Amino acid sequence: GENVEQHPSTLSVQEGDSAVIKCTYSDSASNYFPWYKQELGKRPQLIIDIRSNVGEKKDQRIAVTLNKTAKHFSLHITETQPEDSAVYFCATGIPGGADGLTFGKGTHLIIQP
Amino acid sequence: KAGVTQTPRYLIKTRGQQVTLSCSPISGHRSVSWYQQTPGQGLQFLFEYFSETQRNKGNFPGRFSGRQFSNSRSEMNVSTLELGDSALYLCASSSTASGANVLTFGAGSRLTVL
Repeated sequence: GENVEQHPSTLSVQEGDSAVIKCTYSDSASNYFPWYKQELGKRPQLIIDIRSNVGEKKDQRIAVTLNKTAKHFSLHITETQPEDSAVYFCATGIPGGADGLTFGKGTHLIIQP
Repeated sequence: KAGVTQTPRYLIKTRGQQVTLSCSPISGHRSVSWYQQTPGQGLQFLFEYFSETQRNKGNFPGRFSGRQFSNSRSEMNVSTLELGDSALYLCASSSTASGANVLTFGAGSRLTVL
């Protein structure tokens, strides 16, 4: 089955700096790549997703890039703010697949004031 | 539009007992997936139900089971509880089968097994 590895497990950046989280996956059939943000004590929420027909997608301060050849995708957050502090999960999915999404183990992003 | 509702939010059980968790999806959503979240393992897929049918099941023992009703509400059951079953159980709904669609998560049911 699919295996998703996410790095780093913890990332500490200064407020205003950029943060990058990377994920690699194993199943070449995967072509849906969402990112979820989970604040302490809250539910995971989708922040951005990309499908394999595009290489990059942006939404204000966040962006996701995808390299299907190398089987990796990354989340980029620019001009980080205190409210960006959370655990971020990458995931992969296969259209019509019956195994749900496969999640990485998460990255705890800490924004230092 | 109401979100995904999970009950109960917190519960404490002892080893050997069983537990039933409930999930009401967003109105109109026919797919309900269940995930187990633990600090070391992240979110792990348990199973997905779509139109009352289990589509697949993750790598969990047979003590974990579920079902979906005609109104799309879903329940999951864990029998013969073990200490390692302590976790946050999240359900998520989607308008179609969830292989490559947006999941909307509930707040979770936090199970503690003593």
